Amino acid sequence: RKEVEQDPGPFNVPEGATVAFNCTYSNSASQSFFWYRQDCRKEPKLLMSVYSSGNEDGRFTAQLNRASQYISLLIRDSKLSDSATYLCAVNLGGNEKLTFGTGTRLTIIP
Amino acid sequence: DGGITQSPKYLFRKEGQNVTLSCEQNLNHDAMYWYRQDPGQGLRLIYYSQIVNDFQKGDIAEGYSVSREKKESFPLTVTSAQKNPTAFYLCASGTSSTDTQYFGPGTRLTVL
Repeated sequence: RKEVEQDPGPFNVPEGATVAFNCTYSNSASQSFFWYRQDCRKEPKLLMSVYSSGNEDGRFTAQLNRASQYISLLIRDSKLSDSATYLCAVNLGGNEKLTFGTGTRLTIIP
Repeated sequence: DGGITQSPKYLFRKEGQNVTLSCEQNLNHDAMYWYRQDPGQGLRLIYYSQIVNDFQKGDIAEGYSVSREKKESFPLTVTSAQKNPTAFYLCASGTSSTDTQYFGPGTRLTVL
């Protein structure tokens, strides 16, 4: 089992729809969680940190489920510009290293 | 402007040659990281450094070397010992108080 795992997709979603995807992690002691967005042939950009209480930034909501060891990202009212690959990142062991998932590819269809 | 810069953006090298990728940051971050990204494989950690003059191997350090002589700079050398060096190389930096990492624009290395 991979330490950090994501469904690679692709998710093809009509514009305006709500889409959600998850990221599972292997270590129950994991400390920090993040979602990054990566456009084609570009660097990953931090989308949001994931807090224990969950957090929301506009149309984006991130949640942490420690019992089942996954984080989720929900995108409401999806826009064409949301098309990208979404990477999750987890600090699995209390040092400053992050382990990244392989990413979920999202395409928003007009 | 504050940020992380990497140069060059594209790099071509012949087999058997060493090449050094530059990474500079002016964010006053303590920690710096090098990742490699191949299609379908996500980001894999090559080396990281949490303070000046100290660095640790990541998951795929073989065939690579780094130095951290200044807080702002963390160059990566891809040596001829690296069997499959063609990839997208990403540098990141972060503070010691959080795990958040910020990425530079990357360097695409192609071995001819």
